[in-house]
Amino acid sequence: EPEVTQTPSHQVTQMGQEVILRCVPISNHLYFYWYRQILGQKVEFLVSFYNNEISEKSEIFDDQFSVERPDGSNFTLKIRSTKLEDSAMYFCASSSGPYNGYTFGSGTRLTVV
Amino acid sequence: DQQVKQNSPSLSVQEGRISILNCDYTNSMFDYFLWYKKYPAEGPTFLISISSIKDKNEDGRFTVFLNKSAKHLSLHIVPSQPGDSAVYFCAAIPESSGSARQLTFGSGTQLTVLP
Repeated sequence: EPEVTQTPSHQVTQMGQEVILRCVPISNHLYFYWYRQILGQKVEFLVSFYNNEISEKSEIFDDQFSVERPDGSNFTLKIRSTKLEDSAMYFCASSSGPYNGYTFGSGTRLTVV
Repeated sequence: DQQVKQNSPSLSVQEGRISILNCDYTNSMFDYFLWYKKYPAEGPTFLISISSIKDKNEDGRFTVFLNKSAKHLSLHIVPSQPGDSAVYFCAAIPESSGSARQLTFGSGTQLTVLP
């Protein structure tokens, strides 16, 4: 069964450093998403991406965050200057249509120290 | 801002019995609803969905019911199996002009199916 692949599975970084979380969505999917889940809290929407541009973004997705689809397969989330409160599980997802059940990756656990 | 609410953080059910997981929402703009299952250290896995034009959708052991007037949906699992033990998230998508629509998740219900 096709999968969404995320790397790394766990990243530890120092506060103020830049991190790039990587995702390989399912190959024929057209819609891409990033969500995050802070420990003990809800899964929260960050950003959606379609047709090579951001479609929607939440209040969490401020100027410190950016997304890119640098080639035909990767979809990345960059956090420019990490803060302690950025520590969370970050999930990438993709879907073939806006109403289709999204497929999530296994997540990257980001720990900012 | 809890637009999607799952008021039961946990539920225990005997194997073979019915599991009923509930979800309430407040935003009348939601027009599509989904249920996800999540195991520890994994991403959410899509289970079943329902459009707001329907009141029931069935897929094997899983049935989702939608009561639009009450802004309530439920997931029924019959019969429940130990492998169903996981956190279940309700999620909703608003009608929107945007082409890639965001999911709003509930806080989840931990289902434990006892052998």
